Amino acid sequence: NAGVTQTPKFQVLKTGQSMTLQCAQDMNHEYMSWYRQDPGMGLRLIHYSVGAGITDQGEVPNGYNVSRSTTEDFPLRLLSAAPSQTSVYFCASSSTPERHNEKLFFGSGTQLSVL
Amino acid sequence: GENVEQHPSTLSVQEGDSAVIKCTYSDSASNYFPWYKQELGKGPQLIIDIRSNVGEKKDQRIAVTLNKTAKHFSLHITETQPEDSAVYFCAATNILTGGGNKLTFGTGTQLKVEL
Repeated sequence: NAGVTQTPKFQVLKTGQSMTLQCAQDMNHEYMSWYRQDPGMGLRLIHYSVGAGITDQGEVPNGYNVSRSTTEDFPLRLLSAAPSQTSVYFCASSSTPERHNEKLFFGSGTQLSVL
Repeated sequence: GENVEQHPSTLSVQEGDSAVIKCTYSDSASNYFPWYKQELGKGPQLIIDIRSNVGEKKDQRIAVTLNKTAKHFSLHITETQPEDSAVYFCAATNILTGGGNKLTFGTGTQLKVEL
């Protein structure tokens, strides 16, 4: 009964370093997405995917890359970390609208600090 | 794009009282409006949602109302309990263009239920 699993839970980076935030779901959901949460700003969409091999940009995509090689996994890559990327990152997944189940399931988050 | 405004940012009520959180949206094409509850250190969790073809939906102590003409929707919690204390987020999207994944969130309401 894992749902959406994110690793790591905490990470500290130095400016310019790169890293990958991992996300996996075991609900056979076609749709997956990444959000960042900053104080007073709610959650903002970074990138999303509607299926394996298909990704698109959200509201705040700059500085992040994604790929979707399998249905289960949707990693988020920071190419050259900047202090402005200090945030809490959430991965989420949902089924397709055709199944009439839009419920979005979130992981427990990754707290990232860039020094 | 869509813009969602949420009020109030903080709300304090006495146990047993009702709580109301209000949101407005800008895009008339939005047709799906979920509400999420986020407890400290956890990911958001869906508590109730409503589609644009319905004006009201209720689930035990929680209800959501939608006014499409005015482009606003509200969360109503009755008989509040201490465990209702959390941050609540409203969101909006057009499910035909991205399922439940491409949500635009409000900035959140910190609800505190006092004994």
